[in-house]
Amino acid sequence: GENVEQHPSTLSVQEGDSAVIKCTYSDSASNYFPWYKQELGKRPQLIIDIRSNVGEKKDQRIAVTLNKTAKHFSLHITETQPEDSAVYFCAAEGGYQKVTFGIGTKLQVIP
Amino acid sequence: DAGVTQSPTHLIKTRGQQVTLRCSPKSGHDTVSWYQQALGQGPQFIFQYYEEEERQRGNFPDRFSGHQFPNYSSELNVNALLLGDSALYLCASSDSGGLNEQYFGPGTRLTVT
Repeated sequence: GENVEQHPSTLSVQEGDSAVIKCTYSDSASNYFPWYKQELGKRPQLIIDIRSNVGEKKDQRIAVTLNKTAKHFSLHITETQPEDSAVYFCAAEGGYQKVTFGIGTKLQVIP
Repeated sequence: DAGVTQSPTHLIKTRGQQVTLRCSPKSGHDTVSWYQQALGQGPQFIFQYYEEEERQRGNFPDRFSGHQFPNYSSELNVNALLLGDSALYLCASSDSGGLNEQYFGPGTRLTVT
């Protein structure tokens, strides 16, 4: 089955700096890569996603990149703000919307 | 337009008991997936229901079973509860005919004592 590895597990950045979270996946058939943000005690919320036919996607301060050859994908958050503090999960989806999640990255933005 | 809803919010059970959790998908969605999220971990896929049948299953024992109703709502049943079943149980809904996005419900926090 699919295996998704995510790092770092924790990340502290100063407000205004950039944050980068990296993931790798094992199943070359995976074709959809969503990123979720989960605040303490709340549900995971989809913040951005990328499909296998696209190398990069950007939405305001958030961008994702995908390298299908290397089976790597990354989340980039620029100009971080305290409200960006949360746990971020990468995920990979193969057939029939079966989604495998990474272990999560706890991001702390220090004001 | 209601999003994904789940009930109950919290539940405390004793080892060996059985539990049923419920999920109503977002309007227009016909597929429901269930996940188990242990503290400090990412969600783990349990199974997915589409057209009232289990379509995909993760690495969970058959103590975990489910059902989908004609209105697309779903139930997750866990028999012979173990302490290790304590977790947040999330359901996510999606549209089989649309893009891949899954939307999560608020979850049910299950504690097994």
